[in-house]
Amino acid sequence: QKEVEQNSGPLSVPEGAIASLNCTYSDRGSQSFFWYRQYSGKSPELIMSIYSNGDKEDGRFTAQLNKASQYVSLLIRDSQPSDSATYLCALVGGDKIIFGKGTRLHILP
Amino acid sequence: ETGVTQTPRHLVMGMTNKKSLKCEQHLGHNAMYWYKQSAKKPLELMFVYSLEERVENNSVPSRFSPECPNSSHLFLHLHTLQPEDSALYLCASSPTQRVYNEQFFGPGTRLTVL
Repeated sequence: QKEVEQNSGPLSVPEGAIASLNCTYSDRGSQSFFWYRQYSGKSPELIMSIYSNGDKEDGRFTAQLNKASQYVSLLIRDSQPSDSATYLCALVGGDKIIFGKGTRLHILP
Repeated sequence: ETGVTQTPRHLVMGMTNKKSLKCEQHLGHNAMYWYKQSAKKPLELMFVYSLEERVENNSVPSRFSPECPNSSHLFLHLHTLQPEDSALYLCASSPTQRVYNEQFFGPGTRLTVL
């Protein structure tokens, strides 16, 4: 059974600090990794994709992938109240896509 | 219209009704997806179409029937649903034939089965 694990939260982070979201997975054959943001009552929105080990930066967001340790993380620098949302980790292995349950992030003003 | 649109946005139906959900993407994408999102559960992939051919059917009950008449439109036909089918149904599309890459979601249809 392929699994994606995320801490459901809520994760509370002061405004301006770094928010760190983590995701672990069980399938070593996973090839593609995604982070989606979902505001309450809205649909998921892709914010980052990462395919190889290491860091990938896009503005205030950095995705980190470590295939040996089977985790992928998302760092949000200079957190803003508008970053308060649920963050979904997703991965693709073989012919399957699997989502985690998401981590609720709350940025404290 | 831009992006991925879904209609209706809300639907209440009885267990004996037949209804259809519609999805349309205006992005020129080649693959389209139906997902189910229930409270406290991960997003569940239901069906995948690539260039109008179904490439994935994740053991979904036959009371859900997808239809993809062209690469821009996707339907989900519903009949004799159960109360546990109440959920948010999301449509998504992605830009290449390699399915499961970056996906763009529609706003969803909130379905309630009485």
